[in-house]
Amino acid sequence: EVQLVESGGGLVQPGRSMKLSCAASGFTFNNYDMAWVCQAPKKGLEWVATISYDGSSTYYRDSVKGRFTISRDNAKSTLYLQMDSLRSEDTATYYCARLTTVGHWFAYWGQGTLVTVSS
Amino acid sequence: DIQMTQSPASLSASLGETVTIECLASEDIYSNLAWYQQKPGKSPQLLIYYANSLNDGVPSRFSGSGSGTQYSLKINSLQSEDVSIYFCQQNYDSPYTFGAGTKLELK
Repeated sequence: EVQLVESGGGLVQPGRSMKLSCAASGFTFNNYDMAWVCQAPKKGLEWVATISYDGSSTYYRDSVKGRFTISRDNAKSTLYLQMDSLRSEDTATYYCARLTTVGHWFAYWGQGTLVTVSS
Repeated sequence: DIQMTQSPASLSASLGETVTIECLASEDIYSNLAWYQQKPGKSPQLLIYYANSLNDGVPSRFSGSGSGTQYSLKINSLQSEDVSIYFCQQNYDSPYTFGAGTKLELK
């Protein structure tokens, strides 16, 4: 069974940093591209970043470019999101997702971890 | 960015009824569209991809259709467990974008 378990969320002050983790199990992690998707409270979904199966390619939405870094450790089957220079508008639940090999759909999602940026 | 406009924003229907949710893209996305279901307090689940392909394990009462800029999700014979928010999403072009969601409730 595919499982994705996020951790690392919480309350952080504007301008500070936070690192999210997503532990994967139930599938061969290094075969799949992975992504982070966020959802602000009572709002819709927003794609944040994608990383290729081997970590060689990364993609970001414009609003997080230069502030967020997606990475992975295939030996540990873990996905990361380093979030720097956090802003109040980054407040959201962050989901990690496994992408399909064809089409890059968000096929499996974790339960999410809430990041609250506030002073 | 490609804008995804969903309608209606909310919908109330009776058990056994057929409901349809629409999604309009701001430009042609060549059927690169998915539908997700998010039950209350849960993470989203992929229902349909490439506009009309049913994901594994999704009941056959769900179906998708459309092309170009106009797409729809149809739910036949509405069940109580279908109460959710439904999102469309395009991955034709980066950034991948989602619709604002349609909240489906029971009448």
